[in-house]
Amino acid sequence: DTEVTQTPKHLVMGMTNKKSLKCEQHMGHRAMYWYKQKAKKPPELMFVYSYEKLSINESVPSRFSPECPNSSLLNLHLHALQPEDSALYLCASSAARFLDTQYFGPGTRLTVL
Amino acid sequence: SQQGEEDPQALSIQEGENATMNCSYKTSINNLQWYRQNSGRGLVHLILIRSNEREKHSGRLRVTLDTSKKSSSLLITASRAADTASYFCATDVGNAGNMLTFGGGTRLMVKP
Repeated sequence: DTEVTQTPKHLVMGMTNKKSLKCEQHMGHRAMYWYKQKAKKPPELMFVYSYEKLSINESVPSRFSPECPNSSLLNLHLHALQPEDSALYLCASSAARFLDTQYFGPGTRLTVL
Repeated sequence: SQQGEEDPQALSIQEGENATMNCSYKTSINNLQWYRQNSGRGLVHLILIRSNEREKHSGRLRVTLDTSKKSSSLLITASRAADTASYFCATDVGNAGNMLTFGGGTRLMVKP
């Protein structure tokens, strides 16, 4: 199984809502990533988890809260988002931290009203 | 921040023609990777070239890397309509490893 799955595919939320994005992989990968991608722009790294521990936080606002409950799952908890946070949120995983291919999920299209 | 710049930003060719995309980057890298993204979907890894490699092939893809010029190119030969997508180069620069920074991307359209 070389697939990274993400749910939901689409999410519309108000600025006062709390929601979560979910990412799952069963490739035995020990590194997982969250990226944010605005329209017609490249993906931008948000967080990196390595062996279920947060290793990199690219100065992301605290209204985004990542969680890695186990080696297969990665969540992104959303609270009090702004309309400018509307974007495609991509999850990825890789076997190791160094010099390795990242496998991407299809993304969650988030719209903040 | 964006590590790489891609050129051209958009490219339109006929089926059967070759497509060449270029990527320039700013700092020393561990490796450089190319990804494809169909409209609004996830990225698919195409090829990885390490900093000590100069050229790599995979099917109809040929990637070159010139670390002295801090540049890479992706050549797609005998293009097909299904190759229509955005193509991104990504560099791994972090000491922590596997921190990808993506270039701006090239939007390729292959007309049947």
